[in-house]
Amino acid sequence: GNSVTQMEGPVTLSEEAFLTINCTYTATGYPSLFWYVQYPGEGLQLLLKATKADDKGSNKGFEATYRKETTSFHLEKGSVQVSDSAVYFCALYSGGYQKVTFGIGTKLQVIP
Amino acid sequence: GAGVSQSPSNKVTEKGKDVELRCDPISGHTALYWYRQSLGQGLEFLIYFQGNSAPDKSGLPSDRFSAERTGGSVSTLTIQRTQQEDSAVYLCASSLAGLAATGELFFGEGSRLTVL
Repeated sequence: GNSVTQMEGPVTLSEEAFLTINCTYTATGYPSLFWYVQYPGEGLQLLLKATKADDKGSNKGFEATYRKETTSFHLEKGSVQVSDSAVYFCALYSGGYQKVTFGIGTKLQVIP
Repeated sequence: GAGVSQSPSNKVTEKGKDVELRCDPISGHTALYWYRQSLGQGLEFLIYFQGNSAPDKSGLPSDRFSAERTGGSVSTLTIQRTQQEDSAVYLCASSLAGLAATGELFFGEGSRLTVL
């Protein structure tokens, strides 16, 4: 079956540091890949997505590239801000009537 | 409404009581998911509906938990004889499915359950 593995947190960074949150997946076929973000006290929302190999999803300064050869979709940001403190979830979707599969979530804390 | 609506937003109950949580998905979304989130972090999958049927209910923690969906729309999650370990935020999400699907889920704000 499908699965998503992402690095466990919490991750603590200083403001303006470089961020990488690793995500790898196992799936049949060619899934779409997603990052969701949950800010404190809020619901989950889509951050970015990529639907095919070598696609790069980007939003709010975050980027992730769909790497089929390494089955990865790592989330990166060049300079984090305190406002980026949140929990980040990697997810995949294989299409049709398949359910979406989530990773466990990685909590990011950015300190001034 | 425009988004996924969940009620109640907060529920405090006594141990041993039954609770019902409601989810009203986005109109036209045939896929509906329930998740549980404890300690503000991990998502625990509970059940997935496609229309009114549940092809995957593997995440329900025990037979005290059940869920149904009627008319391909509203879903209720019922927890019988609640225990303190059931305290968590219960999240509902909906999406398109089939040929129109993109895989993007739309989440409600959640129902926070506290069992005393």
